[in-house]
Amino acid sequence: DTGVSQDPRHKITKRGQNVTFRCDPISEHNRLYWYRQTLGQGPEFLTYFQNEAQLEKSRLLSDRFSAERPKGSFSTLEIQRTEQGDSAMYLCASSFIHGSNTEAFFGQGTRLTVV
Amino acid sequence: AQSVSQHNHHVILSEAASLELGCNYSYGGTVNLFWYVQYPGQHLQLLLKYFSGDPLVKGIKGFEAEFIKSKFSFNLRKPSVQWSDTAEYFCAVGGSQGNLIFGKGTKLSVKP
Repeated sequence: DTGVSQDPRHKITKRGQNVTFRCDPISEHNRLYWYRQTLGQGPEFLTYFQNEAQLEKSRLLSDRFSAERPKGSFSTLEIQRTEQGDSAMYLCASSFIHGSNTEAFFGQGTRLTVV
Repeated sequence: AQSVSQHNHHVILSEAASLELGCNYSYGGTVNLFWYVQYPGQHLQLLLKYFSGDPLVKGIKGFEAEFIKSKFSFNLRKPSVQWSDTAEYFCAVGGSQGNLIFGKGTKLSVKP
């Protein structure tokens, strides 16, 4: 499968623990996005990378959240001191930016449950 | 502020019925519009997109959407739905950084 892959698919953690998710984008894509989706809502933008540079963060991304894309390939999203409100599906998407046209390809997501 | 509004939360249709899902957007710049579909247990997949040109866009699986600039709308249509179209449908507008701003989604249930 040459699509966007995310690991793990599911994560259950206790409140206060740290968790880390990984995203492997489509190999030739230069942009990588993280979104969060809660029940009954559409995906909400968190942050994105152009190659290894993190170019924008949403106000949804509190200081407990950090994302990296160290070599411009895979990315990690870490949540420190998890809270019950962090329970959500975390989606990764990648795209190849050509002019102003963008088409993002999504992974299957990591479902986080904080108990 | 950029936003996308989808009018219907849950739509229930019988097979062969026609479908129209509403989407309105609020965005001040050049508009890139998308419809994504999420089948049960699967990832979001692109159905169709509008960047410029012909405002009637045809996508996969017989879906189409019409961009009406004066109404800030990008409604999704299909003349005859099938049971396999049961899914959640998301309208999105492309933001200034290439990110997507999604609506809340519409669940479509098609009865066989």
